[in-house]
Amino acid sequence: QKEVEQNSGPLSVPEGAIASLNCTYSDRVSQSFFWYRQYSGKSPELIMSIYSNGDKEDGRFTAQLNKASQYVSLLIRDSQPSDSATYLCAVNMGGGADGLTFGKGTHLIIQP
Amino acid sequence: EAEVAQSPRYKITEKSQAVAFWCDPISGHATLYWYRQILGQGPELLVQFQDESVVDDSQLPKDRFSAERLKGVDSTLKIQPAELGDSAMYLCASSLARLGGEQFFGPGTRLTVL
Repeated sequence: QKEVEQNSGPLSVPEGAIASLNCTYSDRVSQSFFWYRQYSGKSPELIMSIYSNGDKEDGRFTAQLNKASQYVSLLIRDSQPSDSATYLCAVNMGGGADGLTFGKGTHLIIQP
Repeated sequence: EAEVAQSPRYKITEKSQAVAFWCDPISGHATLYWYRQILGQGPELLVQFQDESVVDDSQLPKDRFSAERLKGVDSTLKIQPAELGDSAMYLCASSLARLGGEQFFGPGTRLTVL
């Protein structure tokens, strides 16, 4: 069974601090990794994609990938109350078809 | 800004009735996905199309669910008959490229089965 694991939270972070979200995946052949943000009652919104080991930065967001450890993380710097949402980790497990396998999401709360 | 369109946004139906959802992907996106998201869970893939062809429908409950993308553009997902356990958000996503391309979601259809 191919799985993506996330801590469901809630993760509470003070405004202005760094929020760190973590994700592990079970399939070593996975090649593509994504972070989505989902507000309550809304659909997932893509915020980061990462394909190779290391860090990828986009504004206040940094995605980190370690394929050897099967671990991907998302850092949010200078957290804002508007960052409060559920963050979904998604992995393309490969094998020809490329539907994403999602974790259950981490609920992030930014405290003003 | 290009977006994935879905309709209806909300649907309430009684069990044993038929329901249908429509999706129009971002223009030029050849790959289209239908996902189902139960409250508190991540989305789960139901079916993937490449143009008009089904690439993966291994998780589609084929006894009651069907999906088509006849002209390789918009798509319809149907449930017949609906069951109480089908209550969920049905999400459509599209991607410009296969093999790991970024997927962009539409607003979803919230289905409630009574």
